[in-house]
Amino acid sequence: GNSVTQMEGPVTLSEEAFLTINCTYTATGYPSLFWYVQYPGEGLQLLLKATKADDKGSNKGFEATYRKETTSFHLEKGSVQVSDSAVYFCALSENRGSTLGRLYFGRGTQLTVWP
Amino acid sequence: EPEVTQTPSHQVTQMGQEVILRCVPISNHLYFYWYRQILGQKVEFLVSFYNNEISEKSEIFDDQFSVERPDGSNFTLKIRSTKLEDSAMYFCASRRLAGLTGELFFGEGSRLTVL
Repeated sequence: GNSVTQMEGPVTLSEEAFLTINCTYTATGYPSLFWYVQYPGEGLQLLLKATKADDKGSNKGFEATYRKETTSFHLEKGSVQVSDSAVYFCALSENRGSTLGRLYFGRGTQLTVWP
Repeated sequence: EPEVTQTPSHQVTQMGQEVILRCVPISNHLYFYWYRQILGQKVEFLVSFYNNEISEKSEIFDDQFSVERPDGSNFTLKIRSTKLEDSAMYFCASRRLAGLTGELFFGEGSRLTVL
């Protein structure tokens, strides 16, 4: 079946520190992979995505590379800011021709960045 | 920027009571979803809805759950007889395009507490 496992939180960092949030997946086919972010008081927002192996998704200084050989999609940022404090969710969707692309999520990782 | 809105933000109910969670998707979107997150667990898919009918539902979405788009703007989730284990954050989402090219937009969530 399909599942996503992501790093347990919470993660607490100082501003300008390097961030890695690990995400690994299990999928029956060749999924697309996503990172969603939820800022306090807001809904989940798409942060970045990758639709095939070796693709790199990037947005707002965050990056993640789709690694088929290690079934991973780790989120990284070189220098975090206080405004990056949020909950980060890794997710996958099957590429099976469905029109609806059901998402499978991880548990979320709370990131807190201190000034 | 258009957004998905959900009401109520928090509802407390007694076990066995009926609950209706409401969502207003983005106006030109065609595909609608409910997800939920029990505290400390993964965000889980409940149901997807397109063209006025359920397209896919998970094993969680049993006979106690129903969805409806009563008036072309609202999208509701009804739980007929709530159980303690229904306590969770419920997220509504919508998208305009089919498949993975259409980004999923989420609401802020409705927290349901069943006592």
